[in-house]
Amino acid sequence: GESVGLHLPTLSVQEGDNSIINCAYSNSASDYFIWYKQESGKGPQFIIDIRSNMDKRQGQRVTVLLNKTVKHLSLQIAATQPGDSAVYFCAERPTGGKLQFGAGTQVVVTP
Amino acid sequence: DTAVSQTPKYLVTQMGNDKSIKCEQNLGHDTMYWYKQDSKKFLKIMFSYNNKELIINETVPNRFSPKSPDKAHLNLHINSLELGDSAVYFCASSLRTEQYFGPGTRLTVT
Repeated sequence: GESVGLHLPTLSVQEGDNSIINCAYSNSASDYFIWYKQESGKGPQFIIDIRSNMDKRQGQRVTVLLNKTVKHLSLQIAATQPGDSAVYFCAERPTGGKLQFGAGTQVVVTP
Repeated sequence: DTAVSQTPKYLVTQMGNDKSIKCEQNLGHDTMYWYKQDSKKFLKIMFSYNNKELIINETVPNRFSPKSPDKAHLNLHINSLELGDSAVYFCASSLRTEQYFGPGTRLTVT
């Protein structure tokens, strides 16, 4: 499954499939990007980050891709599990500035 | 446990009241933040303190007053509560870039 934009869409993914969550950021001066996961009733939790001198970074079951040309960031989750159901936020930080969050994407994992 | 903690977790109060939310971190971080998350899940920064000094103060009504007695604590006091203040308030802390969030305080103003 795949989602686009900074509004709060819902991405429905079947368990075991790969998920792609997209984020269009606004500031070409941003040099640091981060993905957070927020489960229901909890605070946002760090997933993975990437600096602007990289275009790809991998973690455990997650990959972040950065395309500075089109100001696009994506989070790929491999083999999505029920525990991946949450709201996912991208955030950007301009050089010397403060972290700014996107609106989030609700991921729902179906059996 | 090392973490960012907030109290209370839920706060229900009437319009016009004054209330406080407390935040503590035992991560040894020097920067702390308050965020407001609205019903659409949008996270907006309100304040940031670095070593007890205010470094970010977004356009927030002056009814909101943060206080940092030491670098492990950042409290938020809200005067004359309004209906529009209903939201989830998150405290966070950081050492460099990654921010660690508390569990949130759900404030409901009736």
